[in-house]
Amino acid sequence: GENVEQHPSTLSVQEGDSAVIKCTYSDSASNYFPWYKQELGKRPQLIIDIRSNVGEKKDQRIAVTLNKTAKHFSLHITETQPEDSAVYFCAASKGNKLVFGAGTILRVKS
Amino acid sequence: NAGVTQTPKFQVLKTGQSMTLQCAQDMNHNSMYWYRQDPGMGLRLIYYSASEGTTDKGEVPNGYNVSRLNKREFSLRLESAAPSQTSVYFCASRVGEGYTFGSGTRLTVV
Repeated sequence: GENVEQHPSTLSVQEGDSAVIKCTYSDSASNYFPWYKQELGKRPQLIIDIRSNVGEKKDQRIAVTLNKTAKHFSLHITETQPEDSAVYFCAASKGNKLVFGAGTILRVKS
Repeated sequence: NAGVTQTPKFQVLKTGQSMTLQCAQDMNHNSMYWYRQDPGMGLRLIYYSASEGTTDKGEVPNGYNVSRLNKREFSLRLESAAPSQTSVYFCASRVGEGYTFGSGTRLTVV
């Protein structure tokens, strides 16, 4: 089955700097790659996603890139703000199942 | 429109007790899921139901049973709770590639 690895497990950045979180997946048939943000005690919320026929997608300060050949995808957050502090999860999906990475704790220091 | 509703929000069980976690969605989604979330391990799929009347095992099904009661409701049952089942449980429903999560059930087994 699908296996998703996520790095780093924790990331501390200064407010205004950029943050990058990377994920790799094992199943080349996976075709949908969402990113979720989870604040403490809350449910995961979708922040951006990308499909396998697209290489990059942006939404304001957030962007995701996908390299199908290498089977990895990354989340980029620019101009980080304290409210970006949360746990971020990548995931990969093929058909009915969504498999998550272990998560990255992002701390934005002001 | 409540989305995905989970009950209860918190529960403490003694080892060996049984209980059922309830999940209901009002979005007319066909697919529903149960995940557990443990520190450092992301969300792991327990069981899912691609449509009313069908259920399938996920990554970590041992010790759990599920029932897709109708299109709206998907319950998760622990027949004999164990401390290893202490976790936060999330229900989700899906249409297309969009997953909607419930607010979670925090379960402690002592």
